[in-house]
Amino acid sequence: SAVISQKPSRDICQRGTSLTIQCQVDSQVTMMFWYRQQPGQSLTLIATANQGSEATYESGFVIDKFPISRPNLTFSTLTVSNMSPEDSSIYLCSVRRDVSYEQYFGPGTRLTVT
Amino acid sequence: GIQVEQSPPDLILQEGANSTLRCNFSDSVNNLQWFHQNPWGQLINLFYIPSGTKQNGRLSATTVATERYSLLYISSSQTTDSGVYFCAVLWDDMRFGAGTRLTVKP
Repeated sequence: SAVISQKPSRDICQRGTSLTIQCQVDSQVTMMFWYRQQPGQSLTLIATANQGSEATYESGFVIDKFPISRPNLTFSTLTVSNMSPEDSSIYLCSVRRDVSYEQYFGPGTRLTVT
Repeated sequence: GIQVEQSPPDLILQEGANSTLRCNFSDSVNNLQWFHQNPWGQLINLFYIPSGTKQNGRLSATTVATERYSLLYISSSQTTDSGVYFCAVLWDDMRFGAGTRLTVKP
């Protein structure tokens, strides 16, 4: 398995501001992902963040809005920039094991934008 | 892209009842996982099951990859089983179904 922690666990932010979410994994992993879960919805992949390369964004998500850093094999950050109420969601960090492809999720960051 | 469909969307049970949740997917996949999202939003890994059958206590799962479906069985349900159950498949990346919202009443 993998133990994943996220900070902050929740936050209430004003529109127009930015929030950086941290994700820490207890072991080295190549593949890390960021997902968004809007209220009452399923999970949507924002981007793939592999160490040593630029993050790859899914359709509908752009780097200027969701910049990602991946400085090493156990840590990543996601920034939600220039926030609006539509950004109110749970943001989840995820890792995938290199051999088995089993994927694990962090506890999530519950963001409310007012 | 791949389509992942879960049924039923909502399910209400009395404590002690059994249930079956279904996940259909539209293409061959490398991996299939079942997750339980508890009321606090945490995603709990239930099964990693690209094919075959697995059991863990009151829960079991079966994936028939050739027919592109997976089933999650919950027996003797408890109130703590309430939450949303997601099926997710690994294609080019992990794709989630819409989920089944389970409510177990005491």
